[in-house]
Amino acid sequence: NAGVTQTPKFQVLKTGQSMTLQCAQDMNHEYMSWYRQDPGMGLRLIHYSVGAGITDQGEVPNGYNVSRSTTEDFPLRLLSAAPSQTSVYFCASSRLGTENQPQHFGDGTRLSIL
Amino acid sequence: ELKVEQNPLFLSMQEEKNYTIYCNYSTTSDRLYWYRQDPGKSLESLFVLLSNGAVKQEGRLMASLDTKARLSTLHITAAVHDLSATYFCAANLGQFYFGTGTSLTVIP
Repeated sequence: NAGVTQTPKFQVLKTGQSMTLQCAQDMNHEYMSWYRQDPGMGLRLIHYSVGAGITDQGEVPNGYNVSRSTTEDFPLRLLSAAPSQTSVYFCASSRLGTENQPQHFGDGTRLSIL
Repeated sequence: ELKVEQNPLFLSMQEEKNYTIYCNYSTTSDRLYWYRQDPGKSLESLFVLLSNGAVKQEGRLMASLDTKARLSTLHITAAVHDLSATYFCAANLGQFYFGTGTSLTVIP
Protein backbone atom coordinates (compact mmCIF):
# COMPACT_ATOMS: atom_id res chain seq x y z
CA ASN A 1 0.00 0.00 0.00
CA ALA A 2 2.03 2.95 -1.34
CA GLY A 3 -0.16 5.82 -0.07
CA VAL A 4 1.16 9.19 -1.29
CA THR A 5 4.36 9.04 -3.30
CA GLN A 6 6.46 12.10 -4.02
CA THR A 7 9.40 12.31 -6.39
CA PRO A 8 12.13 13.40 -6.31
CA LYS A 9 13.09 13.39 -2.62
CA PHE A 10 15.86 15.93 -3.12
CA GLN A 11 16.54 18.44 -5.88
CA VAL A 12 18.95 21.31 -6.45
CA LEU A 13 18.11 23.86 -9.12
CA LYS A 14 19.65 27.00 -10.46
CA THR A 15 17.69 30.24 -10.46
CA GLY A 16 15.49 30.42 -13.53
CA GLN A 17 15.26 26.71 -14.14
CA SER A 18 11.92 24.98 -14.25
CA MET A 19 10.93 21.62 -12.88
CA THR A 20 7.98 19.47 -11.90
CA LEU A 21 7.48 17.85 -8.53
CA GLN A 22 5.50 14.66 -8.88
CA CYS A 23 2.79 13.42 -6.53
CA ALA A 24 0.76 10.26 -6.91
CA GLN A 25 -1.70 8.56 -4.59
CA ASP A 26 -3.29 5.13 -4.86
CA MET A 27 -6.16 5.58 -2.39
CA ASN A 28 -8.68 7.05 -4.86
CA HIS A 29 -8.73 10.29 -2.87
CA GLU A 30 -10.58 13.20 -4.41
CA TYR A 31 -8.77 15.93 -2.48
CA MET A 32 -5.08 16.57 -3.14
CA SER A 33 -2.94 19.47 -2.08
CA TRP A 34 0.56 20.89 -2.11
CA TYR A 35 2.19 22.62 0.86
CA ARG A 36 5.51 24.21 1.44
CA GLN A 37 7.13 24.06 4.85
CA ASP A 38 9.53 26.75 5.95
CA PRO A 39 11.12 27.16 9.39
CA GLY A 40 8.80 28.94 11.82
CA MET A 41 5.94 29.16 9.33
CA GLY A 42 4.28 25.80 9.55
CA LEU A 43 2.72 24.44 6.38
CA ARG A 44 1.35 26.85 3.83
CA LEU A 45 -1.05 25.73 1.14
CA ILE A 46 0.11 26.36 -2.43
CA HIS A 47 -2.62 24.76 -4.55
CA TYR A 48 -5.28 22.16 -4.06
CA SER A 49 -7.70 20.06 -6.08
CA VAL A 50 -11.04 18.48 -5.25
CA GLY A 51 -11.08 16.21 -8.26
CA ALA A 52 -9.78 15.64 -11.76
CA GLY A 53 -9.93 18.81 -13.82
CA ILE A 54 -10.51 21.05 -10.78
CA THR A 55 -7.76 23.07 -9.12
CA ASP A 56 -7.69 26.14 -6.94
CA GLN A 57 -5.17 28.45 -5.34
CA GLY A 58 -4.13 28.31 -1.74
CA GLU A 59 -2.31 30.85 0.39
CA VAL A 60 0.96 31.08 -1.60
CA PRO A 61 0.31 30.15 -5.26
CA ASN A 62 2.62 32.61 -7.03
CA GLY A 63 5.37 30.96 -9.06
CA TYR A 64 3.66 27.57 -9.09
CA ASN A 65 1.28 25.81 -11.46
CA VAL A 66 -0.71 22.63 -11.00
CA SER A 67 -2.95 20.42 -13.06
CA ARG A 68 -5.11 17.41 -12.23
CA SER A 69 -5.73 15.27 -15.26
CA THR A 70 -6.31 12.09 -13.27
CA THR A 71 -7.51 11.26 -9.78
CA GLU A 72 -4.14 9.74 -8.94
CA ASP A 73 -1.68 12.44 -10.00
CA PHE A 74 -1.20 16.05 -8.95
CA PRO A 75 2.10 17.50 -10.23
CA LEU A 76 3.44 20.85 -9.06
CA ARG A 77 5.38 22.94 -11.58
CA LEU A 78 7.90 25.62 -10.77
CA LEU A 79 7.95 27.86 -13.80
CA SER A 80 11.15 29.84 -13.13
CA ALA A 81 12.79 28.84 -9.88
CA ALA A 82 13.78 31.55 -7.41
CA PRO A 83 15.83 31.26 -4.20
CA SER A 84 12.69 32.16 -2.23
CA GLN A 85 11.23 28.83 -3.34
CA THR A 86 13.86 26.90 -1.44
CA SER A 87 11.72 24.82 0.89
CA VAL A 88 10.40 21.39 1.74
CA TYR A 89 7.32 20.54 -0.32
CA PHE A 90 4.66 18.12 0.86
CA CYS A 91 1.85 16.61 -1.12
CA ALA A 92 -1.21 15.35 0.74
CA SER A 93 -4.48 13.65 -0.10
CA SER A 94 -7.77 12.82 1.58
CA ARG A 95 -11.31 11.69 0.84
CA LEU A 96 -14.02 14.27 0.38
CA GLY A 97 -17.20 13.95 2.37
CA THR A 98 -15.51 11.89 5.06
CA GLU A 99 -14.28 14.51 7.48
CA ASN A 100 -13.23 11.93 10.04
CA GLN A 101 -10.35 11.00 7.78
CA PRO A 102 -7.17 13.08 8.03
CA GLN A 103 -4.91 14.02 5.17
CA HIS A 104 -2.24 11.52 4.19
CA PHE A 105 1.14 13.08 3.50
CA GLY A 106 3.97 12.09 1.22
CA ASP A 107 7.56 12.00 2.43
CA GLY A 108 8.34 15.43 1.03
CA THR A 109 10.66 16.92 -1.59
CA ARG A 110 13.57 18.96 -0.32
CA LEU A 111 14.25 21.65 -2.91
CA SER A 112 17.19 24.05 -2.98
CA ILE A 113 17.40 26.92 -5.45
CA LEU A 114 20.87 28.37 -5.94
CA GLU B 1 -9.55 32.87 5.55
CA LEU B 2 -8.97 30.88 8.71
CA LYS B 3 -6.04 31.69 10.98
CA VAL B 4 -4.63 28.99 13.23
CA GLU B 5 -2.31 29.89 16.07
CA GLN B 6 -0.41 27.49 18.27
CA ASN B 7 1.40 28.15 21.48
CA PRO B 8 3.95 27.69 22.66
CA LEU B 9 6.13 27.53 19.56
CA PHE B 10 8.90 25.81 21.47
CA LEU B 11 8.53 23.63 24.52
CA SER B 12 11.25 22.00 26.53
CA MET B 13 9.93 19.77 29.25
CA GLN B 14 11.32 17.28 31.67
CA GLU B 15 10.41 13.64 31.57
CA GLU B 16 7.42 12.64 33.67
CA LYS B 17 6.00 16.19 33.63
CA ASN B 18 2.66 17.23 32.18
CA TYR B 19 2.05 20.02 29.71
CA THR B 20 -0.54 21.37 27.27
CA ILE B 21 -0.20 22.73 23.75
CA TYR B 22 -2.88 25.18 22.67
CA CYS B 23 -4.40 25.67 19.25
CA ASN B 24 -6.66 28.66 18.58
CA TYR B 25 -8.44 29.24 15.29
CA SER B 26 -10.18 32.35 14.04
CA THR B 27 -13.31 31.12 12.29
CA THR B 28 -15.88 28.54 13.23
CA SER B 29 -14.75 25.10 12.20
CA ASP B 30 -15.97 21.75 13.47
CA ARG B 31 -12.98 19.83 12.20
CA LEU B 32 -9.66 19.92 13.98
CA TYR B 33 -6.71 17.67 13.32
CA TRP B 34 -3.47 17.03 15.17
CA TYR B 35 -0.31 15.80 13.46
CA ARG B 36 3.16 14.83 14.59
CA GLN B 37 6.33 15.41 12.60
CA ASP B 38 9.71 13.93 13.47
CA PRO B 39 12.81 15.79 12.20
CA GLY B 40 13.28 15.31 8.47
CA LYS B 41 10.14 13.20 8.22
CA SER B 42 6.61 13.54 6.96
CA LEU B 43 3.51 14.35 8.99
CA GLU B 44 1.69 11.59 10.81
CA SER B 45 -1.94 11.92 11.83
CA LEU B 46 -2.59 11.73 15.59
CA PHE B 47 -6.17 12.79 16.18
CA VAL B 48 -9.27 13.92 14.33
CA LEU B 49 -11.78 15.95 16.36
CA LEU B 50 -15.14 16.53 14.73
CA SER B 51 -17.50 17.97 17.31
CA ASN B 52 -17.68 20.29 20.27
CA GLY B 53 -16.49 18.55 23.39
CA ALA B 54 -14.71 15.79 21.47
CA VAL B 55 -11.89 14.18 23.41
CA LYS B 56 -9.50 11.56 22.08
CA GLN B 57 -6.62 9.82 23.80
CA GLU B 58 -3.73 7.73 22.61
CA GLY B 59 -1.12 6.72 25.14
CA ARG B 60 0.26 9.82 26.85
CA LEU B 61 -1.47 12.23 24.47
CA MET B 62 -5.01 13.54 24.81
CA ALA B 63 -6.66 16.03 22.48
CA SER B 64 -9.85 17.99 23.03
CA LEU B 65 -11.95 20.45 21.08
CA ASP B 66 -14.06 23.40 22.24
CA THR B 67 -15.70 24.84 19.14
CA LYS B 68 -17.37 27.67 21.08
CA ALA B 69 -14.01 28.93 22.28
CA ARG B 70 -12.38 27.97 18.95
CA LEU B 71 -9.75 26.14 20.94
CA SER B 72 -8.17 22.72 20.82
CA THR B 73 -5.65 21.41 23.29
CA LEU B 74 -3.10 18.62 23.15
CA HIS B 75 -2.26 17.44 26.65
CA ILE B 76 0.88 15.48 27.35
CA THR B 77 0.93 13.31 30.44
CA ALA B 78 4.18 12.11 32.03
CA ALA B 79 6.31 13.00 29.04
CA VAL B 80 8.91 10.60 27.72
CA HIS B 81 11.77 11.22 25.30
CA ASP B 82 9.95 9.45 22.45
CA LEU B 83 7.41 12.26 22.37
CA SER B 84 10.04 14.76 21.21
CA ALA B 85 8.76 16.02 17.84
CA THR B 86 6.93 18.93 16.26
CA TYR B 87 3.17 18.92 16.71
CA PHE B 88 0.82 20.67 14.33
CA CYS B 89 -2.85 21.40 14.58
CA ALA B 90 -4.95 22.04 11.48
CA ALA B 91 -8.51 23.23 10.98
CA ASN B 92 -10.63 22.50 7.95
CA LEU B 93 -12.87 25.04 6.24
CA GLY B 94 -13.00 23.66 2.73
CA GLN B 95 -9.23 23.50 2.77
CA PHE B 96 -6.81 22.74 5.55
CA TYR B 97 -5.19 25.54 7.54
CA PHE B 98 -2.17 24.63 9.66
CA GLY B 99 -0.73 26.21 12.74
CA THR B 100 2.98 27.06 12.87
CA GLY B 101 3.75 24.00 14.97
CA THR B 102 5.06 23.38 18.48
CA SER B 103 8.54 21.95 18.71
CA LEU B 104 8.62 19.72 21.77
CA THR B 105 11.81 18.51 23.38
CA VAL B 106 11.61 16.13 26.31
CA ILE B 107 14.74 16.14 28.42
CA PRO B 108 15.77 13.66 31.12
